[in-house]
Amino acid sequence: GEDVEQSLFLSVREGDSSVINCTYTDSSSTYLYWYKQEPGAGLQLLTYIFSNMDMKQDQRLTVLLNKKDKHLSLRIADTQTGDSAIYFCAEPGLGGGSYIPTFGRGTSLIVHP
Amino acid sequence: DGGITQSPKYLFRKEGQNVTLSCEQNLNHDAMYWYRQDPGQGLRLIYYSQIVNDFQKGDIAEGYSVSREKKESFPLTVTSAQKNPTAFYLCASSPSLSEPQHFGDGTRLSIL
Repeated sequence: GEDVEQSLFLSVREGDSSVINCTYTDSSSTYLYWYKQEPGAGLQLLTYIFSNMDMKQDQRLTVLLNKKDKHLSLRIADTQTGDSAIYFCAEPGLGGGSYIPTFGRGTSLIVHP
Repeated sequence: DGGITQSPKYLFRKEGQNVTLSCEQNLNHDAMYWYRQDPGQGLRLIYYSQIVNDFQKGDIAEGYSVSREKKESFPLTVTSAQKNPTAFYLCASSPSLSEPQHFGDGTRLSIL
């Protein structure tokens, strides 16, 4: 099965909060990332959280990490139409002795006016 | 500004033809990567390079080849052995394998 799992779609109304969830399997990860991909473009590093933290806030973004359940979430406050994109969770675990990040399949966030 | 440049943005390949995708970075990063992205499948690792003159196969290396003769450059060749090459190809780099990656804007490859 996948090492990093995400739901594929999320639809929200403009101005509401969005919460994108991710579960991972490698508990040895030193930190976990969130990337954003707009249509036809590459991935942009949005934020990351160290594994010794429970929460990180950066303007409208809040990352929550539950190490016990291996669950990571990204909350976007006051979601705007410009937030419509695919969001990827990734972990640079030690799977196979490598630090190569493992990406989830991505969650497509659709923001309705 | 530093960054990663992929070219071309769109590429078309005829049957039986090899094509090479370019990736250049001026971030002074040691590590570079190639991913393939198909709809609904996320990113799959093709090859990665930890340092100049060294590279390793990823999860789907068959039908692809790479070289790393310069720190700044990591070209990917899609050979005729790759039977289903139509996809969006992303190049990335990072200071080291354990640090966050920076991505290029991708090359979309299609079969004529």
